[in-house]
Amino acid sequence: GQSLEQPSEVTAVEGAIVQINCTYQTSGFYGLSWYQQHDGGAPTFLSYNALDGLEETGRFSSFLSRSDSYGYLLLQELQMKDSASYFCAVRYSGSARQLTFGSGTQLTVLP
Amino acid sequence: IAGITQAPTSQILAAGRRMTLRCTQDMRHNAMYWYRQDLGLGLRLIHYSNTAGTTGKGEVPDGYSVSRANTDDFPLTLASAVPSQTSVYFCASSDSDTGGTEAFFGQGTRLTVV
Repeated sequence: GQSLEQPSEVTAVEGAIVQINCTYQTSGFYGLSWYQQHDGGAPTFLSYNALDGLEETGRFSSFLSRSDSYGYLLLQELQMKDSASYFCAVRYSGSARQLTFGSGTQLTVLP
Repeated sequence: IAGITQAPTSQILAAGRRMTLRCTQDMRHNAMYWYRQDLGLGLRLIHYSNTAGTTGKGEVPDGYSVSRANTDDFPLTLASAVPSQTSVYFCASSDSDTGGTEAFFGQGTRLTVV
């Protein structure tokens, strides 16, 4: 199957900026999404990129470079509540519209 | 409140028993999915359905079956549970008319097979 790579852990302090990278296999790529999951909770949608460039939503931004098969999630002005797991997910073209998820990045925000 | 409801929220099941995890959505989404989440492995797709009446296999379908008799319901059945099926199971849906870019997840079912 298709595979995605993202760091397993990232640690940062409150108020800082952190970038979580994601690389993916190119074949059949349609778009890159990001999800947030707090411990014991359900994944929730953060952003989606189908075209190259930066998408900004408040403190969170997501970037995609299709030529590099690479994207990242940028979190600014980190808050303690941002401590969670962050998953990149790729939608591949074809008859099925399912998302393939990376293994997740555990973000810990320190005071 | 619109969304996805999963039941039960948790279950301890004896190996060899049959179990159906229920999933219902009221958003009229065409596409629905079942994922399992294991520590360090992220979310892995078990089965999916693009529309009522159709289903497909995901990355880890063995030991599981699904049905999609209508738009709202997408039950997942373990015919004969084994300990390796201990996991957290998430049901999700997306609106295929928008390209399915955003998936909405239920709160999950924590299943322990002993």
